[in-house]
Amino acid sequence: DTAVSQTPKYLVTQMGNDKSIKCEQNLGHDTMYWYKQDSKKFLKIMFSYNNKELIINETVPNRFSPKSPDKAHLNLHINSLELGDSAVYFCASAHTRSYEQYFGPGTRLTVT
Amino acid sequence: KQEVTQIPAALSVPEGENLVLNCSFTDSAIYNLQWFRQDPGKGLTSLLLIQSSQREQTSGRLNASLDKSSGRSTLYIAASQPGDSATYLCAVHAGGTSYGKLTFGQGTILTVHP
Repeated sequence: DTAVSQTPKYLVTQMGNDKSIKCEQNLGHDTMYWYKQDSKKFLKIMFSYNNKELIINETVPNRFSPKSPDKAHLNLHINSLELGDSAVYFCASAHTRSYEQYFGPGTRLTVT
Repeated sequence: KQEVTQIPAALSVPEGENLVLNCSFTDSAIYNLQWFRQDPGKGLTSLLLIQSSQREQTSGRLNASLDKSSGRSTLYIAASQPGDSATYLCAVHAGGTSYGKLTFGQGTILTVHP
């Protein structure tokens, strides 16, 4: 009964390809997030959705497009992948009452 | 712009020692502060959440304090064990309409040796 799950866990692809990462939470939270952890292990927020609406959109290239079909899911689609997109991407969720965030296991994306 | 700094960057201690990890932030207008641990190749595990109105939170051998006015938080780990070895991350939640946007520090890599 994983709280926040992501698929796939590993993703290896070539430059120029389009890929998607899926995230699901079963905690009943109404806010979901995408974070990127770079090679230096620094974590930075990319997007946040609240009740399926985009709330936070940090300075992220347009090639990244989040989609939230419902409150329990937040997917990340990446077009025209570049070498610099290689990182670990984490999904997280929180309830707006406390904003205590729970993270998924991460997806390690390697672009060759 | 909020900036979060964690000191030290790395810490190596013998088993059984009590230790303190430090976190400082530049903007005191935070909603709350959260401490996480990250094991190599794994996701983040929430350890403690301190609301902006609280001074400290405790969970087992962990105690986190918050001094919002001075922009500081500490994580105290009592009687450290090798299983505590991990990266510890401090993150502050923005207030207002930021919907809990987290700003992270760089982390403290803790090694507890037997």
